[in-house]
Amino acid sequence: AQTVTQSQPEMSVQEAETVTLSCTYDTSENNYYLFWYKQPPSRQMILVIRQEAYKQQNATENRFSVNFQKAAKSFSLKISDSQLGDTAMYFCAFMKRGGSQGNLIFGKGTKLSVKP
Amino acid sequence: ETGVTQTPRHLVMGMTNKKSLKCEQHLGHNAMYWYKQSAKKPLELMFVYSLEERVENNSVPSRFSPECPNSSHLFLHLHTLQPEDSALYLCASSQEGQGKSGYTFGSGTRLTVV
Repeated sequence: AQTVTQSQPEMSVQEAETVTLSCTYDTSENNYYLFWYKQPPSRQMILVIRQEAYKQQNATENRFSVNFQKAAKSFSLKISDSQLGDTAMYFCAFMKRGGSQGNLIFGKGTKLSVKP
Repeated sequence: ETGVTQTPRHLVMGMTNKKSLKCEQHLGHNAMYWYKQSAKKPLELMFVYSLEERVENNSVPSRFSPECPNSSHLFLHLHTLQPEDSALYLCASSQEGQGKSGYTFGSGTRLTVV
């Protein structure tokens, strides 16, 4: 079975600084997707960025980028130029490609606080 | 406004009550999900509906009863709950075959059982 581990329950960063959130996963699959979701106080889970395992190039979405190390099974999220609105819970998630519905597996989350 | 709408946002119920949570998606997706989110724990998948048929039930107690009358609507009927069932209940939807798009979530129903 797949597992997703986020080893940092809480982190904080100063506004405009850069922060990196860690995620590791365990799987025997070779084809899969990885995601980072953001859950602000409004509670809605918002997809921040995704990575397809067969792509070596790290995904980037504006201020958000990932460092995907497939061999190490590591998928960290880097937030550049942090903004107050980035304050939220961040969840790393794994999905086997081509699997049945309902196979999106989440980590426990990292609570990020951006301080002015 | 999200493409997935959940009502109510908050619900307080006694252990002998019967209530229902509602989820509606406006994205044309063909799969819908119920997740339970408790503090300090990963999101727990409760139910999966694909093409309006239940495809997975992760050993959820029978006091939780899902219903999916069509591809746009999903309900979670609650009865004789326990205080440990207090949590945030999230609904999500996806399109089968488009896994790389991930899931689209609603804002959840915060349930408190007293």
